[in-house]
Order: sequence, then C-alpha cells, then structure tokens
Amino acid sequence: QKEVEQDPGPLSVPEGAIVSLNCTYSNSAFQYFMWYRQYSRKGPELLMYTYSSGNKEDGRFTAQVDKSSKYISLFIRDSQPSDSATYLCAMQPDYKLSFGAGTTVTVRA
Amino acid sequence: DTGVSQNPRHKITKRGQNVTFRCDPISEHNRLYWYRQTLGQGPEFLTYFQNEAQLEKSRLLSDRFSAERPKGSFSTLEIQRTEQGDSAMYLCASSLPSSYNEQFFGPGTRLTVL
Repeated sequence: QKEVEQDPGPLSVPEGAIVSLNCTYSNSAFQYFMWYRQYSRKGPELLMYTYSSGNKEDGRFTAQVDKSSKYISLFIRDSQPSDSATYLCAMQPDYKLSFGAGTTVTVRA
Repeated sequence: DTGVSQNPRHKITKRGQNVTFRCDPISEHNRLYWYRQTLGQGPEFLTYFQNEAQLEKSRLLSDRFSAERPKGSFSTLEIQRTEQGDSAMYLCASSLPSSYNEQFFGPGTRLTVL
C-alpha cells in the first residue's frame, strides 16, 4: 500500500464550478501538507502548504487537513480553463516529499 | 528567470549509454533534491543535498546512479549503463535553509532510453 493515495481521476468540470480534490495517507509522522499543480511536461508548481491540521485559503484555493482522519483536501472555487492541469498532493515529516499519483482536472469553457 | 533550471530538457539515449543531467537551483537555496517521475505517477524522492553534502539516497538510487554537488551550487545526476526502465522525468528542486517544506521544482529532464 502506498503512503499517499490520490484518485487519478480524470475530473472534468464546467467553468465556474468548484473543484474538489483529496488525498489520504497512512504515515502519522507527516506534518506538512502541500498541493502542487503540474501542467503537461512541466515541473510541479507549489500552490500552497499547510502545517498540521486546519484550513488555509489563498485566493480561489482552500486547503484542508484533517490529521485525525489522515485526509487532506483542496478546493478550487470559480474554476477557469487555465486551472486544467494535474494536481499533486504531497506531504512530509522532514525534507523528503511523498507524493500522491496526481488527479488530472479539465475545466471546460 | 531566477527559478530552478535543468539541462538538457530532453535526452534520448540508447540502452547501455551513460547520461548526465544538470540542475541549477535558486541562488540562495542551499538545499537541493532530486526526484524521478514516471508517467501517471507522482514524483519519487531520489536524493538530497545540503550545501555540498549528500545527506540521503533513496533505495531507488541504484549503484548505476550518482549525484554530486561539488561546490554547493549546481548539481549533476549521472546514470551509467542506462536501462529502458530508467526512462522517466528527472526533477530537481531546491529550498531555503530554513524551509525544506517549500520546495521549488525545475522543469525536469525527460529521459528516453531506447
């Protein structure tokens, strides 16, 4: 079993919809939780990170962490076609990132 | 552009050949990481440098792989006697001394072994 599980999708939504992404994990030592966006054939781009449990908002993006359930989420409000990408969750106890497989999202105009 | 840069962006080689990739991190970042990403998967950790010291190597990094960061600035990743299973995107990331949770990735080097 992988340390980090993420549904690969694909997920297709109309423009303006809320995109909901999530990951589950098994390692209780994880303290930092990140979301990366990756466009095709590009490197991952850090969107936001959260330390321990709680919510964090940045513009149209909201990240949630529930350590008791070992479950993290990313919500994208008012989605745009430019949000079409693969979204990777990542987490770490220290310097080593453990990634999910990524969820491919398409926002239809 | 002051982001992480990687060269070459693409490399096609024949099985058995040696290849070397280069990563130039963001200038003030003293921590440097290498990851490997295969199609449909998330990146997997390979190795980590703090300045010139290589502090950890994943079990994914077989004896055919070697990484260096000679002066604590750029880093190289060499694969000897390449195999078809080495085909992947090789990603480099860097972070500030105080913050290894904010890792910034380069564009990657896509390796194809024929």
